[in-house]
Amino acid sequence: KNQVEQSPQSLIILEGKNCTLQCNYTVSPFSNLRWYKQDTGRGPVSLTIMTFSENTKSNGRYTATLDADTKQSSLHITASQLSDSASYICVVTEGSASKIIFGSGTRLSIRP
Amino acid sequence: NAGVTQTPKFRVLKTGQSMTLLCAQDMNHEYMYWYRQDPGMGLRLIHYSVGEGTTAKGEVPDGYNVSRLKKQNFLLGLESAAPSQTSVYFCASSKQTTSGRETQYFGPGTRLLVL
Repeated sequence: KNQVEQSPQSLIILEGKNCTLQCNYTVSPFSNLRWYKQDTGRGPVSLTIMTFSENTKSNGRYTATLDADTKQSSLHITASQLSDSASYICVVTEGSASKIIFGSGTRLSIRP
Repeated sequence: NAGVTQTPKFRVLKTGQSMTLLCAQDMNHEYMYWYRQDPGMGLRLIHYSVGEGTTAKGEVPDGYNVSRLKKQNFLLGLESAAPSQTSVYFCASSKQTTSGRETQYFGPGTRLLVL
């Protein structure tokens, strides 16, 4: 069964610290993997997208990595800010692009 | 551009009532989607459309109907609401591509409570 698992479910860190969120998937065949940021009460917003041949992609203080062999991805946030408090969702598209599978997200809270 | 908009933002229904959720996009996107988001679960696809006049079932289509009469609008209907349909509903749109790399743009969501 195609699945996307994220860890941890929730995370609290102090402002200015770095953190890394994990995403493991069993989707096959694989097309691409994206990370979304979802602020409370808002819709998800795309941060990065990576295909099979890309193993890292950055968007400001956000850096996503992909290991297609082990089917793992991570999202690293550098020098966290209060505005980074949100849910981060890993999304994997099946190879035929006919199915998009969402992880349940990691809830990140940044404390001052 | 307003992007993707949804109306209403919040609604309370009684079991058995019907309602229609409206999604509109001004980006001239071909593809539109309706998702529901429940606590502890990833977004699940209800129905989607790859163009005006076309619709298709997603992962959890039962109890919902959709229509895409105009390219910019995608309507989600609940004919007889049930408590299990209490959820947050998100609409999204994307360009038509063959690579699957299209970015989905999401609306702000509609919070629905069915009593």
